[in-house]
Amino acid sequence: DGGITQSPKYLFRKEGQNVTLSCEQNLNHDAMYWYRQDPGQGLRLIYYSQIVNDFQKGDIAEGYSVSREKKESFPLTVTSAQKNPTAFYLCASSIRTGVQYFGAGTRLSVL
Amino acid sequence: QKEVEQNSGPLSVPEGAIASLNCTYSDRGSQSFFWYRQYSGKSPELIMFIYSNGDKEDGRFTAQLNKASQYVSLLIRDSQPSDSATYLCAVTGGYQKVTFGTGTKLQVIP
Repeated sequence: DGGITQSPKYLFRKEGQNVTLSCEQNLNHDAMYWYRQDPGQGLRLIYYSQIVNDFQKGDIAEGYSVSREKKESFPLTVTSAQKNPTAFYLCASSIRTGVQYFGAGTRLSVL
Repeated sequence: QKEVEQNSGPLSVPEGAIASLNCTYSDRGSQSFFWYRQYSGKSPELIMFIYSNGDKEDGRFTAQLNKASQYVSLLIRDSQPSDSATYLCAVTGGYQKVTFGTGTKLQVIP
């Protein structure tokens, strides 16, 4: 099945720890995105990438890092510098029309 | 001013009625406009997209775009309880950067 796979579904972070959220797509889409969603809020853009080996900061990039070494993969690392990481993280990919397809999301909590 | 604004709701409509959801945006250079539906605890899914001024219909859904007034709306005819969800408006500008509104929660009352 074609789609976007995010893992894990649930993740717990200890204080001072870096954690990495996985996002893989087999839709052959060039662009990929990471969003953060807090309860009752909309989606806020963390990072996006339009092509392999290139990515841009979104509106809330501080405390996060990404890489885009392969077209299919766009992992997000939540660093210890992100002091309030508890949220629902969504990965998406798109073609030039801008229509975005989302993964099922990862819920990150702090222990 | 927020780049994409939506009334958070909740918007309550009786079953079978028309639900009207509105969205305004600030960037006049915006090119593409999208409506996504998000059920509680789930990821967003695309309902419709629109690029040109006017109306676009797909089944019970109609998207309306007015670039001069910088608003886009979504009409849902014959609303069903299964339509109860949060509806997110999204706008694309340059470099395919997408900005989402905070969403409008719709409740369809049986």
